[in-house]
Amino acid sequence: SFDLTQPPSVSVSPGQTATITCSGRDLRGDTISWYQQKTGQSPVSVIYQDSRRPSGIPARFSGSKSGNTATLTIRGTQAVDEAAYYCQAWNNSNIWLFAGGTKLTVL
Amino acid sequence: QGHLVESGGGLVQPGGSLRLSCEASDFIFKIYGMHWVRQAPGKGLEWVAVIWYDGTYKHYADSVKGRFTISRDNSKNMVFLDMDSLSAEDTGMYYCARAKAARDPFDIWGRGTMVTVSS
Repeated sequence: SFDLTQPPSVSVSPGQTATITCSGRDLRGDTISWYQQKTGQSPVSVIYQDSRRPSGIPARFSGSKSGNTATLTIRGTQAVDEAAYYCQAWNNSNIWLFAGGTKLTVL
Repeated sequence: QGHLVESGGGLVQPGGSLRLSCEASDFIFKIYGMHWVRQAPGKGLEWVAVIWYDGTYKHYADSVKGRFTISRDNSKNMVFLDMDSLSAEDTGMYYCARAKAARDPFDIWGRGTMVTVSS
């Protein structure tokens, strides 16, 4: 097994760019997804297959991956984006691993 | 779009058993893989188990292997999680979620059902 690591918290001012990283072993062979979970709600997919955005997710959300780090970027962050964000890795071993999550604060 | 509704959670004593159910609606259930994901109070998400669309493949997290069993009934649009030998570490909100294929996202989640293991 392996571990994925996210920063516990990230703070950003409204309108600025929030960057949340997810790191572990070499992620090149893994498929990365990102989920947003607002307090008291179920998670929502915001990025899948490393960089694809589901329909209905604003274009300010983007994802990328390089080496052992995946990154979720939120440009023009809004107050409504305040939530916990989780990265998830899937590989051919059929393990779906979540990282510990990052609490995004917009202040 | 699709909906998932979990049920069956509750308070159970350590060492006890519980069966969770997840009912799907408004989508073609039989073509989707189904997952269970749990979240301990105040903690992050933990993947628990998956079952392929036709039930032919099942896989579990190491933390529940040998104690939990996932199954599905495509005629009733339902997926189940049978949990045995429960301990306090199994306490949390249990979500079911769908994903069309292994590398696809969990694109619909239920609201969850709470499991509390305590004496």
